[in-house]
Amino acid sequence: EVQLVESGGGLVQPGGSLRLSCAASGFAFSGFWMHWVRQDPGKGLVWVSRINHDGSGIGYADSVRGRFTITRDNAKNTLYLQMNSLGAEDTAVYYCAREAIPFGLDCWGQGTLVTVSS
Amino acid sequence: QSALTQPPSASGSPGQSVTISCAGTSSDVGGFNYVSWYQQHPGKAPKLMIYEVNKRPSGVPDRFSGSKSGNTASLTVSGLQAEDEADYYCSSYAGSNIGVFGEGTKLTVL
Repeated sequence: EVQLVESGGGLVQPGGSLRLSCAASGFAFSGFWMHWVRQDPGKGLVWVSRINHDGSGIGYADSVRGRFTITRDNAKNTLYLQMNSLGAEDTAVYYCAREAIPFGLDCWGQGTLVTVSS
Repeated sequence: QSALTQPPSASGSPGQSVTISCAGTSSDVGGFNYVSWYQQHPGKAPKLMIYEVNKRPSGVPDRFSGSKSGNTASLTVSGLQAEDEADYYCSSYAGSNIGVFGEGTKLTVL
């Protein structure tokens, strides 16, 4: 069964850092582009970042560029999102997702909640 | 990277058809045939319904169809069913490994 499981969310103070992980199973992780997408509670989806198979191709939303870093470890079948200089506006459920077709995200995790608050 | 523009709400009676629009620019929707649509039920992860403007993943009913004209994409749901009531989001590639989602549309089946 294809599965993505996020972890690492929680409560963090403004200005703090957090690293999210996304463990993949049931498919050849190294063969797929991967994404992070976030959703403010009760609001819409917001694209965050994308990484290619080997980490040589990466993109970020303007709102996170310079603060967030996406990486992957294909040996561990795991996707990461390092989040620094967090602000209240970063409070959201963060999903990782698999890109099966260009920008078609066919498999999503259950999400992990990040709350930025003092 | 402005969010793609979608109507906040749409509705239709069972059996009817409803179309949801997704307006972008020539830098995203109009510039690439990489428009996708997602369905999200409350408390659930999004589900891919349409990719590359008008293609359906296996398992998605053919009642769901997509199209694009210029900088605007559309999702049509025909033969509305109660289980189609959900939030729908469009997304598009915007070049340079960047993506963008729409604001979302809440579809109500009357």
